[in-house]
Amino acid sequence: DTGVSQDPRHKITKRGQNVTFRCDPISEHNRLYWYRQTLGQGPEFLTYFQNEAQLEKSRLLSDRFSAERPKGSFSTLEIQRTEQGDSAMYLCASSPSFGVGYGYTFGSGTRLTVV
Amino acid sequence: AQSVTQLDSQVPVFEEAPVELRCNYSSSVSVYLFWYVQYPNQGLQLLLKYLSGSTLVKGINGFEAEFNKSQTSFHLRKPSVHISDTAEYFCAVSDPGSGNTGKLIFGQGTTLQVKP
Repeated sequence: DTGVSQDPRHKITKRGQNVTFRCDPISEHNRLYWYRQTLGQGPEFLTYFQNEAQLEKSRLLSDRFSAERPKGSFSTLEIQRTEQGDSAMYLCASSPSFGVGYGYTFGSGTRLTVV
Repeated sequence: AQSVTQLDSQVPVFEEAPVELRCNYSSSVSVYLFWYVQYPNQGLQLLLKYLSGSTLVKGINGFEAEFNKSQTSFHLRKPSVHISDTAEYFCAVSDPGSGNTGKLIFGQGTTLQVKP
C-alpha cells in the first residue's frame, strides 16, 4: 500500500489550455474524492465517486471541469480552457465505503498555476 | 448550510508551551468531526476524529480534542508543542445532508507557528 498518488505534483499552464490530473487511490478503497484548495483556505468538495459511478458534483464544478474513474480504479480530473481563477491545489482522497466516519487518506495534491 | 469556523487564522506559541486551536461548527444534528494537519506542499493527514462516545478524543502526535455538543465546538489541544508541530491545521465536519457520501466541510485553517 503506497497511499494515494497524484500526478503531476505541479502544473503551470497558460490560460485557455486544457489540463488533466491523475489520482491513484489506495487499491482497496471504493470511494474517491476530489477537493480544491485555494491559498489560505480549507479544501472545498468538488466531486465523489463510488467505484466507477460519479455520485455527486459540487456547484463549484463548472462545465469546464470533468472527472472520470474508469473501472473504479484511478481517476482523472480535466479542466478545459483554464482560467486564472482555476489556480489552486487539487487534492484527491480515497476511503473505504463502510461508514463516513472512517476518514480519508489524502494524496499530496497537484498544484495548478494558470498564467 | 453546514459551516465550520476556525476562530484563529494564526496561533504563535513558544516551544514546549500548551496550545489550543478553536473550532466551531454550525449543525445542531449529529455529525462526525475531524482534525487534519497539512505540512507545506503536502496533502492532509488525519490527526483525530470524533464519531460518538467519549467526548475527549486522543489522536496522533500527542494531540487531543474535546467535543462539546452544547457549544457546537471541537477544540484541538496539545499540552506541549514542538517545533515540528508547525503546520496548517484544519477542522472538518461531515455534511449531515450528504447521507453516507463521506463529504467533508472544512474550516479555513489555523496556522500554528511554534517558536524556539
